[in-house]
Amino acid sequence: DQQVKQNSPSLSVQEGRISILNCDYTNSMFDYFLWYKKYPAEGPTFLISISSIKDKNEDGRFTVFLNKSAKHLSLHIVPSQPGDSAVYFCAASEGDTGRRALTFGSGTRLQVQP
Amino acid sequence: DAGVIQSPRHEVTEMGQEVTLRCKPISGHNSLFWYRQTMMRGLELLIYFNNNVPIDDSGMPEDRFSAKMPNASFSTLKIQPSEPRDSAVYFCASSPRTSTDTQYFGPGTRLTVL
Repeated sequence: DQQVKQNSPSLSVQEGRISILNCDYTNSMFDYFLWYKKYPAEGPTFLISISSIKDKNEDGRFTVFLNKSAKHLSLHIVPSQPGDSAVYFCAASEGDTGRRALTFGSGTRLQVQP
Repeated sequence: DAGVIQSPRHEVTEMGQEVTLRCKPISGHNSLFWYRQTMMRGLELLIYFNNNVPIDDSGMPEDRFSAKMPNASFSTLKIQPSEPRDSAVYFCASSPRTSTDTQYFGPGTRLTVL
């Protein structure tokens, strides 16, 4: 039973345009959400996070939106750059329950075309 | 800061052999996580420690897997005996606080069991 789902295995966008990566979750106990970026042969790198008490968090070109009622979050990258090409993982945790381990989605491979 | 250090980066072994993966978390971090990444199951938690104590090992596949954290700066994941289905990339991550927190990943160990 996948508690965190990334339904798009891949996404291709043109340089300078917006990239939108989506993530859905089923566990209502999740209260902290993160996005990680992963390059080949490297570990996942933290990108941005959002607490369930917020609906938006912005950091430079990256913005994460959270819709709790829909159990949906998205990552927007504007403008997209070729260096953003990587696999993006959505992750969630049940911080308030004390269980700190992350549950990951299956990832979306983003390719930004020059 | 050197980040999370894992060794070896690559391990090739034969079925039935013992395999030991090593991790040095970021200094000052009090939580340590072991994850496994496979094509079929994606990134999944194996076990995590808080202040050197195992908190959740529900992800450990079976008794062939064991993990220890003898002190705050070192952890091992051991597979004995290894099987071809254990082939995967094993990641170690650490986190600085006891509440919900960003986890910082090591580069991973790619294990191949022939």
